[in-house]
Amino acid sequence: NAGVMQNPRHLVRRRGQEARLRCSPMKGHSHVYWYRQLPEEGLKFMVYLQKENIIDESGMPKERFSAEFPKEGPSILRIQQVVRGDSAAYFCASSPPMAGSYEQYFGPGTRLTVT
Amino acid sequence: KQEVTQIPAALSVPEGENLVLNCSFTDSAIYNLQWFRQDPGKGLTSLLLIQSSQREQTSGRLNASLDKSSGRSTLYIAASQPGDSATYLCAVTGTASKLTFGTGTRLQVTL
Repeated sequence: NAGVMQNPRHLVRRRGQEARLRCSPMKGHSHVYWYRQLPEEGLKFMVYLQKENIIDESGMPKERFSAEFPKEGPSILRIQQVVRGDSAAYFCASSPPMAGSYEQYFGPGTRLTVT
Repeated sequence: KQEVTQIPAALSVPEGENLVLNCSFTDSAIYNLQWFRQDPGKGLTSLLLIQSSQREQTSGRLNASLDKSSGRSTLYIAASQPGDSATYLCAVTGTASKLTFGTGTRLQVTL
Protein backbone atom coordinates (compact mmCIF):
# COMPACT_ATOMS: atom_id res chain seq x y z
CA ASN A 1 0.00 0.00 0.00
CA ALA A 2 1.79 3.10 -1.24
CA GLY A 3 1.97 6.00 1.17
CA VAL A 4 0.93 9.57 0.55
CA MET A 5 2.61 10.81 -2.59
CA GLN A 6 3.51 14.39 -3.34
CA ASN A 7 5.05 15.88 -6.42
CA PRO A 8 7.14 17.57 -7.29
CA ARG A 9 9.47 17.13 -4.32
CA HIS A 10 11.26 20.36 -5.14
CA LEU A 11 9.85 23.28 -7.09
CA VAL A 12 11.57 26.52 -8.05
CA ARG A 13 9.50 29.43 -9.28
CA ARG A 14 10.27 33.03 -10.07
CA ARG A 15 8.25 35.76 -8.41
CA GLY A 16 4.93 36.19 -10.17
CA GLN A 17 4.72 32.65 -11.53
CA GLU A 18 2.21 30.03 -10.50
CA ALA A 19 3.01 26.98 -8.39
CA ARG A 20 0.96 23.78 -8.50
CA LEU A 21 1.57 21.16 -5.84
CA ARG A 22 0.00 17.73 -6.12
CA CYS A 23 -0.93 15.20 -3.48
CA SER A 24 -2.21 11.65 -3.94
CA PRO A 25 -3.64 10.26 -0.68
CA MET A 26 -3.18 6.73 0.52
CA LYS A 27 -5.46 4.16 -1.05
CA GLY A 28 -8.85 4.19 0.63
CA HIS A 29 -8.33 7.61 2.19
CA SER A 30 -10.85 10.28 1.28
CA HIS A 31 -9.67 13.12 3.51
CA VAL A 32 -6.75 15.37 2.57
CA TYR A 33 -5.06 18.08 4.60
CA TRP A 34 -2.43 20.61 3.56
CA TYR A 35 0.09 22.09 5.98
CA ARG A 36 2.85 24.65 5.49
CA GLN A 37 6.19 24.80 7.26
CA LEU A 38 7.92 28.13 6.88
CA PRO A 39 11.71 28.23 7.47
CA GLU A 40 12.48 27.88 11.18
CA GLU A 41 8.78 27.73 12.05
CA GLY A 42 6.33 25.01 12.99
CA LEU A 43 3.80 23.34 10.75
CA LYS A 44 0.58 25.28 10.26
CA PHE A 45 -2.72 23.94 8.99
CA MET A 46 -3.91 25.38 5.70
CA VAL A 47 -6.92 23.47 4.37
CA TYR A 48 -8.95 20.29 4.83
CA LEU A 49 -10.69 18.71 1.86
CA GLN A 50 -12.83 15.74 1.05
CA LYS A 51 -13.63 14.64 -2.49
CA GLU A 52 -15.09 17.66 -4.32
CA ASN A 53 -15.55 19.58 -1.05
CA ILE A 54 -13.55 22.07 0.95
CA ILE A 55 -14.35 21.35 4.59
CA ASP A 56 -12.13 23.87 6.38
CA GLU A 57 -9.95 26.51 4.74
CA SER A 58 -9.41 28.62 7.83
CA GLY A 59 -5.63 28.42 7.47
CA MET A 60 -5.45 29.48 3.84
CA PRO A 61 -4.17 32.96 3.00
CA LYS A 62 -7.07 35.00 1.66
CA GLU A 63 -5.49 35.74 -1.69
CA ARG A 64 -3.52 33.78 -4.30
CA PHE A 65 -3.97 30.38 -2.64
CA SER A 66 -6.55 27.78 -3.62
CA ALA A 67 -7.00 24.05 -3.18
CA GLU A 68 -9.11 21.35 -4.73
CA PHE A 69 -9.64 17.62 -4.43
CA PRO A 70 -11.55 16.47 -7.51
CA LYS A 71 -13.57 13.30 -7.85
CA GLU A 72 -10.76 11.81 -9.92
CA GLY A 73 -7.09 12.57 -9.53
CA PRO A 74 -4.87 14.13 -6.92
CA SER A 75 -5.48 17.07 -4.65
CA ILE A 76 -3.94 20.28 -5.95
CA LEU A 77 -2.66 23.24 -3.96
CA ARG A 78 -2.32 26.22 -6.27
CA ILE A 79 -0.40 29.39 -5.50
CA GLN A 80 -0.78 32.20 -7.96
CA GLN A 81 1.72 35.03 -8.43
CA VAL A 82 4.18 33.58 -5.95
CA VAL A 83 6.25 35.85 -3.71
CA ARG A 84 9.45 35.13 -1.79
CA GLY A 85 7.45 34.69 1.42
CA ASP A 86 5.75 31.65 -0.11
CA SER A 87 9.05 29.74 0.04
CA ALA A 88 8.36 26.87 2.41
CA ALA A 89 7.80 23.15 2.69
CA TYR A 90 4.23 22.15 1.90
CA PHE A 91 3.04 18.88 3.37
CA CYS A 92 -0.02 16.90 2.50
CA ALA A 93 -1.62 14.35 4.83
CA SER A 94 -4.48 11.93 4.37
CA SER A 95 -6.76 10.00 6.66
CA PRO A 96 -9.48 7.34 6.30
CA PRO A 97 -13.16 8.31 5.97
CA MET A 98 -13.71 8.53 9.75
CA ALA A 99 -11.70 11.75 10.09
CA GLY A 100 -10.95 13.13 13.53
CA SER A 101 -10.47 9.79 15.21
CA TYR A 102 -7.82 8.43 12.91
CA GLU A 103 -4.19 9.01 12.30
CA GLN A 104 -3.06 11.42 9.62
CA TYR A 105 -0.37 10.07 7.32
CA PHE A 106 2.03 12.56 5.84
CA GLY A 107 3.67 12.75 2.46
CA PRO A 108 7.34 13.69 1.96
CA GLY A 109 6.48 17.32 1.21
CA THR A 110 7.14 19.72 -1.62
CA ARG A 111 9.83 22.29 -1.03
CA LEU A 112 8.97 25.47 -2.87
CA THR A 113 11.67 28.04 -3.51
CA VAL A 114 10.71 31.40 -4.95
CA THR A 115 13.56 33.31 -6.54
CA LYS B 1 -7.87 28.62 19.88
CA GLN B 2 -5.72 25.55 20.51
CA GLU B 3 -2.09 26.19 21.37
CA VAL B 4 0.53 23.47 21.72
CA THR B 5 3.82 24.03 23.51
CA GLN B 6 6.81 21.74 23.70
CA ILE B 7 9.64 21.91 26.16
CA PRO B 8 12.54 21.83 26.03
CA ALA B 9 13.11 23.44 22.64
CA ALA B 10 16.43 21.64 22.33
CA LEU B 11 18.06 18.80 24.20
CA SER B 12 21.47 17.16 24.00
CA VAL B 13 22.11 13.86 25.79
CA PRO B 14 24.83 11.21 25.70
CA GLU B 15 24.02 7.88 24.10
CA GLY B 16 22.26 5.42 26.39
CA GLU B 17 20.37 7.94 28.48
CA ASN B 18 16.63 7.78 29.00
CA LEU B 19 14.86 11.03 28.25
CA VAL B 20 11.46 12.70 28.41
CA LEU B 21 9.99 15.22 26.01
CA ASN B 22 7.04 17.30 27.14
CA CYS B 23 4.00 18.61 25.29
CA SER B 24 1.16 20.73 26.64
CA PHE B 25 -2.04 21.92 24.98
CA THR B 26 -4.57 24.52 26.04
CA ASP B 27 -7.88 22.98 24.90
CA SER B 28 -8.61 19.52 26.29
CA ALA B 29 -11.35 18.84 23.70
CA ILE B 30 -9.17 16.68 21.48
CA TYR B 31 -9.75 13.49 19.52
CA ASN B 32 -6.18 12.28 19.64
CA LEU B 33 -2.55 13.28 20.04
CA GLN B 34 0.27 12.25 17.74
CA TRP B 35 4.01 12.30 18.17
CA PHE B 36 6.08 12.71 15.02
CA ARG B 37 9.72 12.68 14.15
CA GLN B 38 11.19 15.00 11.52
CA ASP B 39 14.73 14.70 10.19
CA PRO B 40 16.34 17.84 8.68
CA GLY B 41 14.89 18.62 5.28
CA LYS B 42 12.63 15.57 5.42
CA GLY B 43 8.98 14.76 5.96
CA LEU B 44 7.20 13.62 9.09
CA THR B 45 7.27 10.10 10.45
CA SER B 46 4.43 9.20 12.77
CA LEU B 47 5.74 7.59 15.95
CA LEU B 48 2.72 7.12 18.20
CA LEU B 49 -0.97 7.99 18.21
CA ILE B 50 -2.92 8.20 21.46
CA GLN B 51 -6.70 8.38 21.26
CA SER B 52 -8.37 10.74 23.73
CA SER B 53 -9.75 7.77 25.67
CA GLN B 54 -6.30 6.21 26.12
CA ARG B 55 -3.63 6.95 28.69
CA GLU B 56 -0.54 5.71 26.90
CA GLN B 57 0.91 3.96 23.88
CA THR B 58 4.16 2.07 23.47
CA SER B 59 6.27 1.21 20.46
CA GLY B 60 9.69 -0.33 21.01
CA ARG B 61 11.79 2.10 23.04
CA LEU B 62 9.13 4.79 22.86
CA ASN B 63 6.32 5.35 25.32
CA ALA B 64 3.85 8.22 25.11
CA SER B 65 1.40 9.18 27.82
CA LEU B 66 -1.62 11.44 27.71
CA ASP B 67 -3.34 13.31 30.53
CA LYS B 68 -6.17 15.00 28.69
CA SER B 69 -7.65 16.77 31.70
CA SER B 70 -4.40 18.57 32.47
CA GLY B 71 -3.54 19.09 28.81
CA ARG B 72 -0.22 17.23 28.90
CA SER B 73 1.61 14.49 27.08
CA THR B 74 5.08 13.08 27.47
CA LEU B 75 7.23 11.08 25.10
CA TYR B 76 9.70 8.80 26.87
CA ILE B 77 12.67 7.48 24.89
CA ALA B 78 14.60 4.66 26.53
CA ALA B 79 18.29 3.96 25.94
CA SER B 80 18.75 6.76 23.43
CA GLN B 81 20.88 6.21 20.32
CA PRO B 82 22.57 8.63 17.90
CA GLY B 83 19.98 7.60 15.30
CA ASP B 84 17.29 9.13 17.51
CA SER B 85 18.68 12.60 16.75
CA ALA B 86 15.87 14.55 15.08
CA THR B 87 13.15 17.07 15.82
CA TYR B 88 10.18 15.61 17.70
CA LEU B 89 6.79 17.16 17.11
CA CYS B 90 3.64 16.82 19.13
CA ALA B 91 0.28 17.50 17.48
CA VAL B 92 -3.35 17.34 18.61
CA THR B 93 -6.48 16.74 16.55
CA GLY B 94 -9.39 18.89 17.65
CA THR B 95 -13.05 18.97 16.72
CA ALA B 96 -12.22 20.59 13.40
CA SER B 97 -10.13 17.53 12.42
CA LYS B 98 -7.04 19.57 11.68
CA LEU B 99 -3.76 18.97 13.50
CA THR B 100 -2.30 21.72 15.66
CA PHE B 101 1.44 21.29 16.01
CA GLY B 102 3.80 22.20 18.75
CA THR B 103 7.03 24.03 18.13
CA GLY B 104 9.12 20.87 18.41
CA THR B 105 12.03 19.61 20.49
CA ARG B 106 15.34 19.29 18.67
CA LEU B 107 17.14 16.24 20.08
CA GLN B 108 20.83 15.52 19.71
CA VAL B 109 22.18 12.21 21.00
CA THR B 110 25.94 12.22 21.23
CA LEU B 111 28.40 9.33 21.20
